[in-house]
Amino acid sequence: KAGVTQTPRYLIKTRGQQVTLSCSPISGHRSVSWYQQTPGQGLQFLFEYFSETQRNKGNFPGRFSGRQFSNSRSEMNVSTLELGDSALYLCASSSGQARRTDTQYFGPGTRLTVL
Amino acid sequence: GNSVTQMEGPVTLSEEAFLTINCTYTATGYPSLFWYVQYPGEGLQLLLKATKADDKGSNKGFEATYRKETTSFHLEKGSVQVSDSAVYFCALSAWTGNQFYFGTGTSLTVIP
Repeated sequence: KAGVTQTPRYLIKTRGQQVTLSCSPISGHRSVSWYQQTPGQGLQFLFEYFSETQRNKGNFPGRFSGRQFSNSRSEMNVSTLELGDSALYLCASSSGQARRTDTQYFGPGTRLTVL
Repeated sequence: GNSVTQMEGPVTLSEEAFLTINCTYTATGYPSLFWYVQYPGEGLQLLLKATKADDKGSNKGFEATYRKETTSFHLEKGSVQVSDSAVYFCALSAWTGNQFYFGTGTSLTVIP
C-alpha cells in the first residue's frame, strides 16, 4: 500500500505571498491532519479533515486554511506569508474511525522557506 | 488539558548501550500513547503504540509500557545501534478528537 505523499517537497516563497500544499493520504483513509514543525515550537497541530469536513482545529491564525476533496486528498493554504511561517509542514492520514486509538501515518513533509 | 513531557536531549550513547527516553503525560480521559521516530529529512514513522493501561508496545527491539499510575510511557532498548540515531517523539491521542499532542522530541546519537 502506498504511503502518504506530499507535494511539493520544498518551496521557497517571499513574505506576503500565498502558498498551497498538497497531501494524498493512504488509500482508504478518510482523515487527514496537518502539523507544523519548527525547531522552536516543535510539532503543532493545525487542523484535521474527515470526509471533506474540518473536524478539529488548532490555535493558528485564519491565514492558515485547508480543505479536503471527495477522494480524501487534502490541501493546506497559507496566505500573506510571514517569516515565521518557515517550517516543515507534515500531513498525516488515518482511518478516522476510532479517534482515540487510530494511528496517524505521516508523509515526508513539505519544507517551506519564507524569505 | 492534554500534554506530553519528554526528557531533554541530545542523548549520545555508544553502540550496544542501554537506552531509556522518559515520557510523561497529562490527559483528560484515557489516551492512547505512541512513540514516533524521525530520521533526518524525513517525516515521522510510527515506532510503537499502546492504547490502554499496562499495554506494552514493542517494535525493532524498542519497548514501552503504558503506566497509568505514573502517567508514563518510557521508551527503552537493550542494545542500541548506530542506525538508531534519530529524533524520537512521544505522543498522545486523547478521546476528544483525532489530534495528536507531541513531546518536544529527543535527539539520539549512537557512536560506534
